[in-house]
Amino acid sequence: AQSVTQLGSHVSVSEGALVLLRCNYSSSVPPYLFWYVQYPNQGLQLLLKYTTGATLVKGINGFEAEFKKSETSFHLTKPSAHMSDAAEYFCAVSAPWGYQKVTFGTGTKLQVIP
Amino acid sequence: DVKVTQSSRYLVKRTGEKVFLECVQDMDHENMFWYRQDPGLGLRLIYFSYDVKMKEKGDIPEGYSVSREKKERFSLILESASTNQTSMYLCASRIRGPSMNTEAFFGQGTRLTVV
Repeated sequence: AQSVTQLGSHVSVSEGALVLLRCNYSSSVPPYLFWYVQYPNQGLQLLLKYTTGATLVKGINGFEAEFKKSETSFHLTKPSAHMSDAAEYFCAVSAPWGYQKVTFGTGTKLQVIP
Repeated sequence: DVKVTQSSRYLVKRTGEKVFLECVQDMDHENMFWYRQDPGLGLRLIYFSYDVKMKEKGDIPEGYSVSREKKERFSLILESASTNQTSMYLCASRIRGPSMNTEAFFGQGTRLTVV
């Protein structure tokens, strides 16, 4: 069984400030972890993923996330927020076998204040 | 460029109607998924399919069925639509087996309103 908890359904940051979106996971096997972004009235787009290897993962649009097994966390960060980052972000987990389902968190809406 | 296409962006149906949501992918993926998205609840898995004619129930299958007659197409069926099925429906596909390219690819979503 696997699950994801995203802390904070809404996060507000000022333009240029650090973005930190929190994600904790639960998995009985070594997980694959994902962050997706959703802009209004669109589908989900992959930001970054962790499968194996380096625990610090870099994604698109300047985002990165660090897999911390001891903390069962996969927090998403960006050093400097841009207005275009305003969107909803979803953390997701799956077992490392492709036929398994992907389980999503409840999402965090990021607001960027000018 | 990989693509998952959902047949409708917006649908309005009446209570009791039979509703078909269609999804097609061009990536030759074995796995396909239907999720429902509601505010505050994130994405919840309705059904998934790991091969043609194969299906597995997800977390909220009640009131829904699916069909996968061809590898590239996965249909979600609401046998008798109800107002509590008003939602955004997202289709996704994913390669099977251990792979670095193991993320799910999503369609644009279908916003269904049942009146």
